[in-house]
This record gives sequence, C-alpha cells and structure tokens, in this order.
Amino acid sequence: DTGVSQDPRHKITKRGQNVTFRCDPISEHNRLYWYRQTLGQGPEFLTYFQNEAQLEKSRLLSDRFSAERPKGSFSTLEIQRTEQGDSAMYLCASSFGTSGRKTQYFGPGTRLLVL
Amino acid sequence: DQQVKQNSPSLSVQEGRISILNCDYTNSMFDYFLWYKKYPAEGPTFLISISSIKDKNEDGRFTVFLNKSAKHLSLHIVPSQPGDSAVYFCAASEVDYGGSQGNLIFGKGTKLSVKP
Repeated sequence: DTGVSQDPRHKITKRGQNVTFRCDPISEHNRLYWYRQTLGQGPEFLTYFQNEAQLEKSRLLSDRFSAERPKGSFSTLEIQRTEQGDSAMYLCASSFGTSGRKTQYFGPGTRLLVL
Repeated sequence: DQQVKQNSPSLSVQEGRISILNCDYTNSMFDYFLWYKKYPAEGPTFLISISSIKDKNEDGRFTVFLNKSAKHLSLHIVPSQPGDSAVYFCAASEVDYGGSQGNLIFGKGTKLSVKP
C-alpha cells in the first residue's frame, strides 16, 4: 500500500500527559500537512512542511502543539500537557509539488481521547 | 467566520437518482476547490477537484460545477448508489500570493444517504 499512513490509529491518554503521532506520506510527496477534526466539523489546518522546512505554523492551536519532519520524510505531531479539549481526530495529508493547487491525499487519522 | 459553507447537514436520495451537494465560499482569492468523501473513523478520500479557470469537471459518475460569480460550487453524483452514503466535504485551497501555500479550508460536510 503506497498511501499515507498514520500511527497509532487510536490513542487514549490522561490529562497532562504528552502524546506523539506519526505520519508517513506517500513516498514521492514533498509536502505534508497536519489537520485536526472535531465532531461535526470539517478538518482544520494546523501546519505544513515542504520537505523538511515547516513553512506555516501560526495555525497550531497553542504552544503545546509542535511538529517536525527532520529528514523530509515522515513527520511527528506532539501535544504536550494534553487537555480534554484536545480530544479529536488528527489527520495527515501529503501532496507533490510546490504549488498550493495540488490534491492532498489523507491518511486514516489518529483518534485521540484525553480522559 | 466560515469561509466555506455547506448549508445542508444531510441529504437523502433514492438509488439511481441524482445527488446534488452544494457549497458556498466567501473568499474571492480561492481558486482551487476539491470534494472529499469520508466514512466514519477513516480519513477523507479525494473525489474530484476544479480550478477556477474551469466551470465544470467530470470524472465518471461525479461532476463538479463552479459558478465563480456566485461563489458557489456543486457536486453531482449520477446515478447515486448505496455505497455513496458518506459525509461529503467541500474544500478550498488557501493559496498565498506566490501560489504556494495551499492548506485546505473545509466546510462542515453534508451527510448523504442513498436508499436502495
């Protein structure tokens, strides 16, 4: 399967713990995007990378959220000191090229539940 | 303020008939639009896209129409099949002046139910 993969698919954690999610994009895709989806809403953009460079991070929800893509391949999204309001589906997408007018292909998502 | 709006939370159609899903946007800078289908507990699946230089794009049973003056687009599914039952999201690409950025702005989705 050469689609976008995300790990884990589900994560349950206690309030105050740190969590990290991983995304592996389609292999030739140089762009990688992170989104968050809550119940009844469409996905909400968080941040994106072109190769290893993080080109937009002002939409990250708070300074507790951070993302990396150290070698321009897989990416990680970390949430520190989780809160119950962080419970959501976290989606990763990838695309090829440097234009913003490209189709993004999504992974299956990581569903986070903060107790 | 929502820049991409899907005003119908749900739509029910009979198998074999046409499904029409609607989407409105407010930002005249949007020039690339996409439709995604989403099943519960899965990521969105790309269906079809359209650039603002076109007013129609077809792919099999799916056709997207774009009316730039009205800032409106619609997705037509003909004929509708029970397997089409899912939540459909309209998205616009938020491109910066260099044409580079491209993060997607999504509507809230329309839940389509196709009855056998």
